[in-house]
Amino acid sequence: DAGVTQSPTHLIKTRGQQVTLRCSPKSGHDTVSWYQQALGQGPQFIFQYYEEEERQRGNFPDRFSGHQFPNYSSELNVNALLLGDSALYLCASSSGGSVHEQYFGPGTRLTVT
Amino acid sequence: GDSVTQMEGPVTLSEEAFLTINCTYTATGYPSLFWYVQYPGEGLQLLLKATKADDKGSNKGFEATYRKETTSFHLEKGSVQVSDSAVYFCALSDQGDAGKSTFGDGTTLTVKP
Repeated sequence: DAGVTQSPTHLIKTRGQQVTLRCSPKSGHDTVSWYQQALGQGPQFIFQYYEEEERQRGNFPDRFSGHQFPNYSSELNVNALLLGDSALYLCASSSGGSVHEQYFGPGTRLTVT
Repeated sequence: GDSVTQMEGPVTLSEEAFLTINCTYTATGYPSLFWYVQYPGEGLQLLLKATKADDKGSNKGFEATYRKETTSFHLEKGSVQVSDSAVYFCALSDQGDAGKSTFGDGTTLTVKP
């Protein structure tokens, strides 16, 4: 049983560019949440997708957007990249919009230069 | 808004020592509380959880008790091992906001032989 998978593992982008990160949830899960983890800090909630809709959103600008597909996989898009967007981006999957049994992927390390 | 405060690290212990990592929280509702562990180069793993006051979560020798009167959820282990070296995150999910988890900044534990 595959757990949560994310791609790519690492990514280097230039300021102003756009990036797309991908996540496949654990088998049987229908909910995907995205987090940003800056170095030395805890994960910060970006948003959650459930039933192909954005259900919850944290304090992130509109440059951060997402999508969930019918197979429950999800994408995180970030436009107009800033140096401060450099972080580990974590995807977590769960069921029914809840986070009480949340499984995390290994993350995508984004570096903006 | 919701917040989680963890004791500052890093924490360095000798093998078989007793571990306590303090965690206090602020929440508007009746949150569920979690401890996650992050090993080097990996994503977060759920270690234990408690969903209501006085519940005790336990796993792999770790324990934490949900104390509503002190708004705390301290992590304890009676005898740590070198393999317990990792970053530990305390987190909450407010029942009325089930799609969002709020994390502390993490506490780095190093166990020496």
